[in-house]
Amino acid sequence: GAGVSQSPSNKVTEKGKDVELRCDPISGHTALYWYRQSLGQGLEFLIYFQGNSAPDKSGLPSDRFSAERTGGSVSTLTIQRTQQEDSAVYLCASSSVRIAGTETQYFGPGTRLLVL
Amino acid sequence: DQQVKQNSPSLSVQEGRISILNCDYTNSMFDYFLWYKKYPAEGPTFLISISSIKDKNEDGRFTVFLNKSAKHLSLHIVPSQPGDSAVYFCAASARGPGAGSYQLTFGKGTKLSVIP
Repeated sequence: GAGVSQSPSNKVTEKGKDVELRCDPISGHTALYWYRQSLGQGLEFLIYFQGNSAPDKSGLPSDRFSAERTGGSVSTLTIQRTQQEDSAVYLCASSSVRIAGTETQYFGPGTRLLVL
Repeated sequence: DQQVKQNSPSLSVQEGRISILNCDYTNSMFDYFLWYKKYPAEGPTFLISISSIKDKNEDGRFTVFLNKSAKHLSLHIVPSQPGDSAVYFCAASARGPGAGSYQLTFGKGTKLSVIP
């Protein structure tokens, strides 16, 4: 596709349930990022994938959060045992290889997660 | 500990006038700065970026100025148009040797309203 796509666009779940969020990056982009935006806040970095390298998980807020990227393309962010504070918009971004001037990140529309 | 700060949560400007959005940062390792625009229910859209080796970058109606000594950057939009009404996020990354992912650190955003 032309841009980054994410699914579902909206997700309502009950506290304690697991959720999976999906991201399809721009074709050919080797870098993929997950961010989240809580109400009234800026975007907060969660995790980064670059090619076949080990992911940078330094932004994950707890061990309930995990992500994987299969085949260097599609990524899934999983939140286990969701809590109300996990309610946020989860945004995925992708960028080209790490060459100066080409690393601009392009964002998907986000998944709005509401934990009741 | 906010490393990127946008101290004005909102700004109103008359159509045709200049909009100036400001951003301050504290991390001296940041060497690449971006502005994103976000409409409700959409992901952020890349607007313009600037490397720390420059002090100005211009793209059409948008100009970004960087003052490294003051750790300050600003986005100028001239002339402002009603379609520019959105939330504008300032973001920064560190790309130097030893940098991990090119994760972006975002400000909380400034909501711009351009009045017809």
